Amino acid sequence: EVQLVESGGGLVQPGGSLRLSCAASGFTFANYAMSWVRQAPGKGLKWVSGISGSGGHTYYADFVKGRFTISRENSKNTLHLQMNTLRVEDTAIYYCAKDLMYYGDYGSDYWGQGILVTVSS
Amino acid sequence: QSVLTQPPSASGTPGQRVSISCSGSSSNVGSNTVNWYQQLPETAPKLLIYSDNQRPSGVPDRFSGSKSGTSASLAITGLQSEDEADYYCAAWDDNLNARVFGGGTKLTVL
Repeated sequence: EVQLVESGGGLVQPGGSLRLSCAASGFTFANYAMSWVRQAPGKGLKWVSGISGSGGHTYYADFVKGRFTISRENSKNTLHLQMNTLRVEDTAIYYCAKDLMYYGDYGSDYWGQGILVTVSS
Repeated sequence: QSVLTQPPSASGTPGQRVSISCSGSSSNVGSNTVNWYQQLPETAPKLLIYSDNQRPSGVPDRFSGSKSGTSASLAITGLQSEDEADYYCAAWDDNLNARVFGGGTKLTVL
Protein backbone atom coordinates (compact mmCIF):
# COMPACT_ATOMS: atom_id res chain seq x y z
CA GLU A 1 0.00 0.00 0.00
CA VAL A 2 1.41 3.38 -0.99
CA GLN A 3 1.84 5.74 1.94
CA LEU A 4 3.12 9.31 1.99
CA VAL A 5 3.53 11.00 5.35
CA GLU A 6 4.50 14.66 5.57
CA SER A 7 6.26 16.22 8.53
CA GLY A 8 7.99 19.47 9.49
CA GLY A 9 5.12 21.92 9.23
CA GLY A 10 4.10 24.47 11.81
CA LEU A 11 4.08 28.15 12.65
CA VAL A 12 6.92 30.36 11.44
CA GLN A 13 7.45 34.11 11.28
CA PRO A 14 7.66 35.96 7.97
CA GLY A 15 11.20 35.72 6.63
CA GLY A 16 11.78 32.44 8.43
CA SER A 17 12.53 28.95 7.16
CA LEU A 18 11.00 25.49 7.40
CA ARG A 19 11.95 22.12 5.97
CA LEU A 20 9.16 19.76 5.02
CA SER A 21 9.79 16.07 4.65
CA CYS A 22 7.71 13.31 3.13
CA ALA A 23 8.35 9.69 4.06
CA ALA A 24 7.30 7.32 1.29
CA SER A 25 6.56 3.60 1.43
CA GLY A 26 4.79 0.91 -0.53
CA PHE A 27 6.49 1.58 -3.89
CA THR A 28 9.98 1.84 -5.39
CA PHE A 29 10.60 5.47 -4.51
CA ALA A 30 13.50 6.07 -6.90
CA ASN A 31 11.38 5.01 -9.88
CA TYR A 32 8.96 7.92 -9.65
CA ALA A 33 9.00 11.68 -9.88
CA MET A 34 7.51 13.48 -6.89
CA SER A 35 5.69 16.76 -6.42
CA TRP A 36 4.69 19.26 -3.76
CA VAL A 37 1.27 20.90 -4.13
CA ARG A 38 -0.22 23.43 -1.74
CA GLN A 39 -3.66 24.72 -0.86
CA ALA A 40 -4.21 27.98 0.95
CA PRO A 41 -7.18 28.04 3.35
CA GLY A 42 -10.40 28.00 1.35
CA LYS A 43 -8.54 28.20 -1.96
CA GLY A 44 -7.67 25.89 -4.83
CA LEU A 45 -4.70 23.65 -5.52
CA LYS A 46 -1.39 25.15 -6.60
CA TRP A 47 1.60 23.12 -7.75
CA VAL A 48 4.77 24.18 -5.96
CA SER A 49 7.61 22.01 -7.20
CA GLY A 50 8.53 18.72 -8.83
CA ILE A 51 11.57 16.46 -9.00
CA SER A 52 12.47 13.55 -11.27
CA GLY A 53 13.11 10.05 -9.95
CA SER A 54 16.87 10.49 -9.88
CA GLY A 55 16.67 14.00 -8.48
CA GLY A 56 18.55 15.31 -11.48
CA HIS A 57 15.69 17.47 -12.74
CA THR A 58 13.82 19.95 -10.56
CA TYR A 59 11.03 22.36 -11.37
CA TYR A 60 9.47 25.25 -9.47
CA ALA A 61 6.44 27.51 -9.67
CA ASP A 62 7.42 31.12 -10.25
CA PHE A 63 6.07 32.18 -6.86
CA VAL A 64 8.61 30.01 -4.98
CA LYS A 65 11.55 30.12 -7.37
CA GLY A 66 14.71 31.19 -5.55
CA ARG A 67 13.13 30.64 -2.13
CA PHE A 68 12.20 26.94 -2.06
CA THR A 69 14.39 23.93 -2.86
CA ILE A 70 13.09 20.44 -3.55
CA SER A 71 15.32 17.44 -3.00
CA ARG A 72 15.10 13.72 -2.39
CA GLU A 73 17.05 11.00 -0.62
CA ASN A 74 16.31 7.82 -2.55
CA SER A 75 18.26 5.71 -0.06
CA LYS A 76 15.85 6.85 2.66
CA ASN A 77 12.67 7.03 0.54
CA THR A 78 12.26 10.64 1.58
CA LEU A 79 11.29 13.83 -0.23
CA HIS A 80 12.12 17.28 1.12
CA LEU A 81 11.08 20.86 0.56
CA GLN A 82 13.35 23.51 2.04
CA MET A 83 11.37 26.73 2.35
CA ASN A 84 13.27 29.96 2.97
CA THR A 85 12.24 33.61 3.15
CA LEU A 86 8.70 32.57 3.93
CA ARG A 87 5.87 35.00 3.32
CA VAL A 88 2.40 35.27 4.81
CA GLU A 89 1.00 34.15 1.45
CA ASP A 90 2.89 30.84 1.74
CA THR A 91 0.42 29.83 4.45
CA ALA A 92 -1.21 26.64 3.20
CA ILE A 93 -1.59 22.92 3.53
CA TYR A 94 1.33 21.33 1.68
CA TYR A 95 0.77 17.97 0.03
CA CYS A 96 3.47 15.53 -1.01
CA ALA A 97 2.44 13.54 -4.08
CA LYS A 98 3.80 10.59 -6.02
CA ASP A 99 3.81 11.17 -9.75
CA LEU A 100 2.77 8.65 -12.38
CA MET A 101 6.13 8.49 -14.14
CA TYR A 102 9.88 8.65 -13.48
CA TYR A 103 10.30 11.84 -15.45
CA GLY A 104 8.00 14.46 -16.90
CA ASP A 105 4.64 15.59 -15.59
CA TYR A 106 1.77 13.18 -16.15
CA GLY A 107 -0.04 13.81 -12.91
CA SER A 108 0.09 12.53 -9.34
CA ASP A 109 -1.64 9.30 -8.38
CA TYR A 110 -1.03 9.22 -4.62
CA TRP A 111 -1.12 12.06 -2.14
CA GLY A 112 -0.15 12.46 1.48
CA GLN A 113 -2.62 13.74 4.04
CA GLY A 114 -1.04 17.19 3.91
CA ILE A 115 0.70 19.33 6.50
CA LEU A 116 -0.13 22.85 7.56
CA VAL A 117 2.40 25.65 7.26
CA THR A 118 1.39 28.91 8.86
CA VAL A 119 3.46 32.04 8.26
CA SER A 120 2.48 34.73 10.73
CA SER A 121 4.01 37.17 13.16
CA GLN B 1 -6.37 34.00 -11.88
CA SER B 2 -5.66 30.42 -12.78
CA VAL B 3 -3.96 29.48 -16.04
CA LEU B 4 -6.65 26.88 -16.70
CA THR B 5 -10.24 28.10 -16.57
CA GLN B 6 -13.00 26.10 -14.94
CA PRO B 7 -16.53 27.14 -13.96
CA PRO B 8 -16.59 27.82 -10.22
CA SER B 9 -19.67 25.71 -9.67
CA ALA B 10 -21.80 22.98 -11.19
CA SER B 11 -24.82 21.08 -9.97
CA GLY B 12 -27.11 18.20 -10.80
CA THR B 13 -29.66 15.84 -9.33
CA PRO B 14 -28.99 12.19 -8.54
CA GLY B 15 -28.83 10.10 -11.70
CA GLN B 16 -28.14 13.06 -13.98
CA ARG B 17 -25.13 13.64 -16.19
CA VAL B 18 -22.87 16.59 -15.38
CA SER B 19 -19.98 17.99 -17.38
CA ILE B 20 -17.17 20.26 -16.14
CA SER B 21 -15.06 22.17 -18.63
CA CYS B 22 -11.40 23.15 -18.48
CA SER B 23 -10.09 25.74 -20.91
CA GLY B 24 -6.40 26.31 -21.51
CA SER B 25 -4.04 27.25 -24.30
CA SER B 26 -1.62 25.76 -26.79
CA SER B 27 1.17 25.71 -24.19
CA ASN B 28 -0.70 23.50 -21.73
CA VAL B 29 -3.93 21.66 -22.61
CA GLY B 30 -3.19 21.96 -26.32
CA SER B 31 0.17 20.19 -26.09
CA ASN B 32 0.16 18.10 -22.91
CA THR B 33 -2.08 15.59 -21.24
CA VAL B 34 -4.81 16.69 -18.85
CA ASN B 35 -5.48 15.18 -15.46
CA TRP B 36 -8.52 15.56 -13.25
CA TYR B 37 -8.60 15.41 -9.47
CA GLN B 38 -11.46 15.03 -7.05
CA GLN B 39 -11.20 16.56 -3.59
CA LEU B 40 -13.82 15.59 -1.06
CA PRO B 41 -14.28 17.98 1.87
CA GLU B 42 -11.34 18.02 4.27
CA THR B 43 -9.42 15.34 2.38
CA ALA B 44 -6.42 15.13 0.09
CA PRO B 45 -7.01 15.25 -3.67
CA LYS B 46 -7.53 12.01 -5.55
CA LEU B 47 -6.54 11.33 -9.15
CA LEU B 48 -9.69 10.75 -11.17
CA ILE B 49 -8.52 10.90 -14.79
CA TYR B 50 -5.00 10.91 -16.26
CA SER B 51 -3.70 11.23 -19.82
CA ASP B 52 -6.88 13.05 -20.90
CA ASN B 53 -9.21 10.05 -20.62
CA GLN B 54 -7.69 7.21 -18.60
CA ARG B 55 -9.14 6.07 -15.28
CA PRO B 56 -6.88 4.76 -12.50
CA SER B 57 -7.98 1.42 -11.13
CA GLY B 58 -10.80 1.80 -8.68
CA VAL B 59 -12.34 4.88 -10.29
CA PRO B 60 -15.88 4.08 -11.45
CA ASP B 61 -16.58 4.23 -15.18
CA ARG B 62 -19.19 6.89 -14.41
CA PHE B 63 -16.28 9.29 -14.64
CA SER B 64 -14.83 10.03 -18.08
CA GLY B 65 -12.50 12.60 -19.58
CA SER B 66 -12.14 14.06 -23.05
CA LYS B 67 -10.09 16.69 -24.79
CA SER B 68 -10.33 18.69 -27.98
CA GLY B 69 -7.75 21.28 -28.90
CA THR B 70 -7.17 23.56 -25.94
CA SER B 71 -10.24 22.44 -23.96
CA ALA B 72 -10.90 19.40 -21.83
CA SER B 73 -13.98 18.08 -20.07
CA LEU B 74 -14.85 15.80 -17.21
CA ALA B 75 -18.19 14.04 -17.43
CA ILE B 76 -19.96 12.32 -14.57
CA THR B 77 -22.94 10.12 -15.38
CA GLY B 78 -25.38 8.61 -12.91
CA LEU B 79 -24.62 11.38 -10.44
CA GLN B 80 -24.50 10.26 -6.80
CA SER B 81 -24.54 12.21 -3.55
CA GLU B 82 -20.99 11.09 -2.79
CA ASP B 83 -19.79 12.85 -5.95
CA GLU B 84 -20.28 16.17 -4.18
CA ALA B 85 -16.74 17.54 -4.14
CA ASP B 86 -14.32 20.00 -5.71
CA TYR B 87 -12.91 19.01 -9.10
CA TYR B 88 -9.65 20.31 -10.55
CA CYS B 89 -8.06 19.95 -13.96
CA ALA B 90 -4.29 20.17 -14.40
CA ALA B 91 -1.70 20.04 -17.14
CA TRP B 92 1.96 20.83 -17.71
CA ASP B 93 2.61 24.24 -19.21
CA ASP B 94 5.56 24.36 -21.62
CA ASN B 95 5.97 28.16 -21.35
CA LEU B 96 5.88 28.29 -17.55
CA ASN B 97 7.76 24.99 -17.20
CA ALA B 98 5.32 24.17 -14.44
CA ARG B 99 2.19 22.19 -13.71
CA VAL B 100 -0.86 24.43 -13.77
CA PHE B 101 -4.24 23.80 -12.16
CA GLY B 102 -7.67 25.11 -12.90
CA GLY B 103 -9.35 27.14 -10.20
CA GLY B 104 -11.58 24.23 -9.28
CA THR B 105 -15.29 23.49 -9.71
CA LYS B 106 -17.50 22.86 -6.72
CA LEU B 107 -20.04 20.20 -7.65
CA THR B 108 -23.28 20.18 -5.71
CA VAL B 109 -25.68 17.24 -5.86
CA LEU B 110 -29.14 18.67 -5.31
